Amino acid sequence: AQTVTQSQPEMSVQEAETVTLSCTYDTSESDYYLFWYKQPPSRQMILVIRQEAYKQQNATENRFSVNFQKAAKSFSLKISDSQLGDAAMYFCAYKVAGRGGADGLTFGKGTHLIIQP
Amino acid sequence: NAGVTQTPKFRILKIGQSMTLQCAQDMNHNYMYWYRQDPGMGLKLIYYSVGAGITDKGEVPNGYNVSRSTTEDFPLRLELAAPSQTSVYFCASSYASGTYNEQFFGPGTRLTVL
Repeated sequence: AQTVTQSQPEMSVQEAETVTLSCTYDTSESDYYLFWYKQPPSRQMILVIRQEAYKQQNATENRFSVNFQKAAKSFSLKISDSQLGDAAMYFCAYKVAGRGGADGLTFGKGTHLIIQP
Repeated sequence: NAGVTQTPKFRILKIGQSMTLQCAQDMNHNYMYWYRQDPGMGLKLIYYSVGAGITDKGEVPNGYNVSRSTTEDFPLRLELAAPSQTSVYFCASSYASGTYNEQFFGPGTRLTVL
């Protein structure tokens, strides 16, 4: 079974600075997808960024970027120029590719990100 | 498009009671999912469906039942509610094809069993 580990229960960063959230995963599959979801106090799950395992290039979405290290099974999220609206729980998630995409996501326990003004 | 909708938003049940959590999507997605989120934890998959009439168990299916009679609706049934089922429940849906099969989530239902 796949597992996703987020070793930082909470992180704090000053507004406008950069923060990196860590995620490691364990799988025997060679083709899979990785995601970072944001969950603000409203509880809504919001997709932040995604990465295909067979792509070596790290995904980037505006101020959000990832450092994907397939051999190390590591998938960290970097948030640049942190803003107050970035404060939320962040979840790392995994999904095996193929099988028609029917499989659900496997989530880590989350990292609570605090933005200090 | 309303996306994925869930009702109710909140519910308090007594031990042993039953209820159905409703989920509907208007995006014509084939795949639908139910997750639960316990305090301080990530989401865990309860059941999923790949189309009308087809459902399968996820990681934590005990105490729940599902049905999928239409593409749009995927209700989750709790029989004989227990305090261990106190959680926030999320419904999600995705296309059957596409690179990522990105899942779109509903706003969640907070359930308390006392």
